[in-house]
Amino acid sequence: QKEVEQDPGPLSVPEGAIVSLNCTYSNSAFQYFMWYRQYSRKGPELLMYTYSSGNKEDGRFTAQVDKSSKYISLFIRDSQPSDSATYLCAMSKAAGNKLTFGGGTRVLVKP
Amino acid sequence: DGGITQSPKYLFRKEGQNVTLSCEQNLNHDAMYWYRQDPGQGLRLIYYSQIVNDFQKGDIAEGYSVSREKKESFPLTVTSAQKNPTAFYLCATGGDRGQYNSPLHFGNGTRLTVT
Repeated sequence: QKEVEQDPGPLSVPEGAIVSLNCTYSNSAFQYFMWYRQYSRKGPELLMYTYSSGNKEDGRFTAQVDKSSKYISLFIRDSQPSDSATYLCAMSKAAGNKLTFGGGTRVLVKP
Repeated sequence: DGGITQSPKYLFRKEGQNVTLSCEQNLNHDAMYWYRQDPGQGLRLIYYSQIVNDFQKGDIAEGYSVSREKKESFPLTVTSAQKNPTAFYLCATGGDRGQYNSPLHFGNGTRLTVT
């Protein structure tokens, strides 16, 4: 069983819909949680970065962390075709900078 | 223009040959990382370096080697001992040593194909 599980998709939504993505993890030592967006043939770019449990909002993006359930989510409001990409969750423990990644969810936003 | 430069973007090699992938950064970050990405498997850590002249093995270091002679550069050599070298290779940098949990920033990758 992988430490971080993420549905590979693809997740197809119409333009303007809310995109809901999530990851589950098994290691309670993870403290820092990140979401990256990756376009085809490009490197991942950081979208959201949160510590411990709670919510964080940045424009159309909202990240949620529920450490008690070992579950993190990313919501994209008013989705646009330019949001079509693969979204990777990542997390790290309290010490060190080694990230553990989920496998990524491919998202398609149709005009 | 600050960032991480990986070159070349595409690389083709014959089986049995060693190949070196370049990663250069001008972000003044201490830590540098190499990841491998395969379809459906996410990113897996090959090697990382938190300071010049020092580096550690990641989760899948076998068949790879690195050097860190300069802060700006962290080249990765894929040796003939790597059984499945065809993959997308990503270089990343992190914050200063004191910021152990700063997020990573990635280059745009090198796609290596070995036939």
